[in-house]
Amino acid sequence: AQSVSQHNHHVILSEAASLELGCNYSYGGTVNLFWYVQYPGQHLQLLLKYFSGDPLVKGIKGFEAEFIKSKFSFNLRKPSVQWSDTAEYFCAVERGSSNTGKLIFGQGTTLQVKP
Amino acid sequence: EPEVTQTPSHQVTQMGQEVILRCVPISNHLYFYWYRQILGQKVEFLVSFYNNEISEKSEIFDDQFSVERPDGSNFTLKIRSTKLEDSAMYFCASRQEPSYGYTFGSGTRLTVV
Repeated sequence: AQSVSQHNHHVILSEAASLELGCNYSYGGTVNLFWYVQYPGQHLQLLLKYFSGDPLVKGIKGFEAEFIKSKFSFNLRKPSVQWSDTAEYFCAVERGSSNTGKLIFGQGTTLQVKP
Repeated sequence: EPEVTQTPSHQVTQMGQEVILRCVPISNHLYFYWYRQILGQKVEFLVSFYNNEISEKSEIFDDQFSVERPDGSNFTLKIRSTKLEDSAMYFCASRQEPSYGYTFGSGTRLTVV
């Protein structure tokens, strides 16, 4: 069965540190990839998405992610985090062949940024 | 920016009672979804809805669950007879077409006591 793994469950960083959150998926076909963020008390917001083309995608708030097909990975990065980046981050995968758009989510990574 | 609206934000219900969770998707969106997140667990797909019918549902979405788009604007999730294990945050989402990302609502926290 399709699955998505996020390696880091809880990450604590100081402001200005660099961030990389890992995401791997298990589906061998074409995929669409997403990172969502959930700030405390708020809804899931789309950070960035990859459907095709340049495997390095840039999203909102200075985030980027790189799709490495050979590694089945879609890691999220930010060169310098801010206190306001404290949130939960979810990687999600949609099969490219899906006509329903079902997303499979990873278990989430809680990021805590210390001021 | 258009939003997906969910009501209520928090619902407490007794085991065995029926609940209806309401969602107003973005008006020009065509694909609608319900997901849930049990505390401390992954966000899980429940059901997708397109062209006035269910297009896919998960194993979780058993006979106790149903969805409806009664009037062209609301999209509801009904749980017929709630169980303790239905306690979760329920998210509604919509998208215009498959090449677009989802827009999620802020969720309804359902507590079954």
